[in-house]
Amino acid sequence: GENVEQHPSTLSVQEGDSAVIKCTYSDSASNYFPWYKQELGKGPQLIIDIRSNVGEKKDQRIAVTLNKTAKHFSLHITETQPEDSAVYFCAASIEGSGGSNYKLTFGKGTLLTVNP
Amino acid sequence: DSGVTQTPKHLITATGQRVTLRCSPRSGDLSVYWYQQSLDQGLQFLIQYYNGEERAKGNILERFSAQQFPDLHSELNLSSLELGDSALYFCASSARGPSSNYGYTFGSGTRLTVV
Repeated sequence: GENVEQHPSTLSVQEGDSAVIKCTYSDSASNYFPWYKQELGKGPQLIIDIRSNVGEKKDQRIAVTLNKTAKHFSLHITETQPEDSAVYFCAASIEGSGGSNYKLTFGKGTLLTVNP
Repeated sequence: DSGVTQTPKHLITATGQRVTLRCSPRSGDLSVYWYQQSLDQGLQFLIQYYNGEERAKGNILERFSAQQFPDLHSELNLSSLELGDSALYFCASSARGPSSNYGYTFGSGTRLTVV
């Protein structure tokens, strides 16, 4: 089955700096890669996703890049703010299989702390 | 409010007992997924239902079972509980059909403590 590795497990940055979280996946058939943000006491929330036909996607201060050859994808957060502090999860799945399951395999998470 | 409702929010029970966790998916979503989150294992996939039918199973213990009802709400039953079953249990739903993927919407979880 799919295996997703995520690094680093913790990341501390100063407000205004950039943060980068990296993930690798094992199943070359995976073609959907979402990122989730989990704040304390809440469920994970989808913040951005990318499909394998796209190499990069940006939404305001967050961006995701995908390298299918190397089987890795990354989350970039620019101009970090204290409210960005949370646990971030990457995930991978295969979509479009016509009735098969779409379970997401998650990385183990990165605790991002943005210091004011 | 994500639109996915999980009850109860907290549950404390003794070893050997049985509990039922409930999930109401977001309106219109046909797929329901159950995940277990613990500190050392992250988010572990348990089981998926699509429109009432089981679609995929993860590392779900035989002591655990689930079902999705005609109104699309789902229940996760955990029996013969052990201390190691203490975790956060999340339900997620998606609008997935047979050929598309829309990402999950998670509920706020049920925190299960087995004492």
